[in-house]
Amino acid sequence: QSVLTQPPSASGTPGQRVTISCSGSSSNIGRNIVNWFQQLPGTAPKLLIYSTNQRPSGVPDRFSGSKSGTSASLAISGLQSEDEADYYCAAWDDNLNGWVFGGGTKLTVL
Amino acid sequence: EVQLLESGGGLVQPGGSLRLSCVVSGFTFSSYAMSWVRQAPGKGLEWVSGISGGGGSTYYADSVKGRFTISRDNSKNTLSLQMNSLRAEDTAVYYCAKDRSPIVGASTFESWGQGTLVTVSS
Repeated sequence: QSVLTQPPSASGTPGQRVTISCSGSSSNIGRNIVNWFQQLPGTAPKLLIYSTNQRPSGVPDRFSGSKSGTSASLAISGLQSEDEADYYCAAWDDNLNGWVFGGGTKLTVL
Repeated sequence: EVQLLESGGGLVQPGGSLRLSCVVSGFTFSSYAMSWVRQAPGKGLEWVSGISGGGGSTYYADSVKGRFTISRDNSKNTLSLQMNSLRAEDTAVYYCAKDRSPIVGASTFESWGQGTLVTVSS
C-alpha cells in the first residue's frame, strides 16, 4: 500500500489530453513539492516534472504538473504513442522523514 | 554528461549481506544528495535511503532501518549501500539517484543509474 495514491491505469487516443492524479496528505503533498517520473518499459525512471510544475530541459511542454491541497496532477496533452509508460508521483513526507511514491499509473495509448 | 553506474547486485541467501556501489561522473559529487530507490519485480518504486552531499545526514525507509547503511566517499565519487539481514522482500532492482540539491528531500531525483538486481532466495 503506497502512501501516495494513483490510479493503476489510464488511457487515451493519440492527440488526446489525459490526466493522472496523485492523492496524498498534509504531511507530504500538502506541505511539499511534487515530482513526477516516467518509466518506459525496461528502462530506469526519468524525471518528468519537478517542484510540482517545472519541466527539466528536454521534456516537451505537452507535459505539465499542478497541485491543489493534498492532491497533485500530471497532464499530458497531444498524446503520442511514445508516451506509453508507467508514471510515478513522489513527495517528501515530513512525518516519515523520507520520500514517498505513488503506486504508479500505467498509461496506454490506444 | 552525468553518469551513475551501480554494481554489487546478485543472488544472496536470506539473512545474508550484500554491498552495492554506485560510481558517478560528470558532476561535483559532494554538492548533491544521493539516494537509493528500489523496484521489486513487476512493482512500483520504493525509496530506500538518502544521504546529504557532505554525508553528515542520512535517512532510511522504515522497511530497511537498522539493516541497511548508506554511505559515500566523496574523494572516490562513490555511493554505497551496505545491506544486512536480507529478506526475500528485499528482492528488487536497486537504482542510485542523484538529487538536484545537497539536502535530502529538498528537491528531486534528477538522474538515475541503470540499476542492479538483488535477489534474496535460498
